[in-house]
Amino acid sequence: QVQLVQSGAEVKKPGSSVKVSCKASGGTFSSYTISWVRQAPGQGLEWMGRIIPILGIANYAQKFQGRVTITADKSTSTAYMELSSLRSEDTAVYYCARGGYSGSLESGYYFDYWGQGTLVTVSS
Amino acid sequence: DIQMTQSPSSLSASVGDRVTITCRASQGISNYLAWYQQKPGKVPKLLIYAASTLQSGVPSRFSGSGSGTDFTLTISSLQPEDVATYYCQKYNSAPGITFGPGTKVDIK
Repeated sequence: QVQLVQSGAEVKKPGSSVKVSCKASGGTFSSYTISWVRQAPGQGLEWMGRIIPILGIANYAQKFQGRVTITADKSTSTAYMELSSLRSEDTAVYYCARGGYSGSLESGYYFDYWGQGTLVTVSS
Repeated sequence: DIQMTQSPSSLSASVGDRVTITCRASQGISNYLAWYQQKPGKVPKLLIYAASTLQSGVPSRFSGSGSGTDFTLTISSLQPEDVATYYCQKYNSAPGITFGPGTKVDIK
């Protein structure tokens, strides 16, 4: 069965960076996309961006452009999300989620599998 | 940017009631609309995609409809295990994947 397993909780200082990993198993990693979605405490879901592993191309939400980098290592079926210049408002649970890939760089997809979530706390 | 709204923001209904949640897009998105259920402290779960296609394993009391700008998620007979927050998501374009603000469903 498909599983997405994320790295553990992180505590970071304001201004620093965090890198969260998401290891996929049970499916063909390169046939899908991996998105990152975050959820601040008591808030809704916010899409940050995605990677198309077969192409190595990432799309980012405008809000996070320049501050987030999403990469993938096909050899280990692992996706990464790095967020820089952290501030307290970035405190959230960060999820990776699997989406399909239609062959178009501009097309989106729904998410059928999700990682367990990684809590990132930004505090001085 | 296309904005997504949901109504109501919360509702309380009795077991067995029919519950309807509405999601509206500020511009047409064809049927590129999914619904998720998130129980407290849990990971979101895909219920419906392509506006009306039930994800495998999801109970048939859940259904979706709509196209263009107006969409609905219906629970035909509310069960205690349906207490959750429900989110719609548009996915017509990749840089513009957006979730609605959510609808919290409780048991009366």
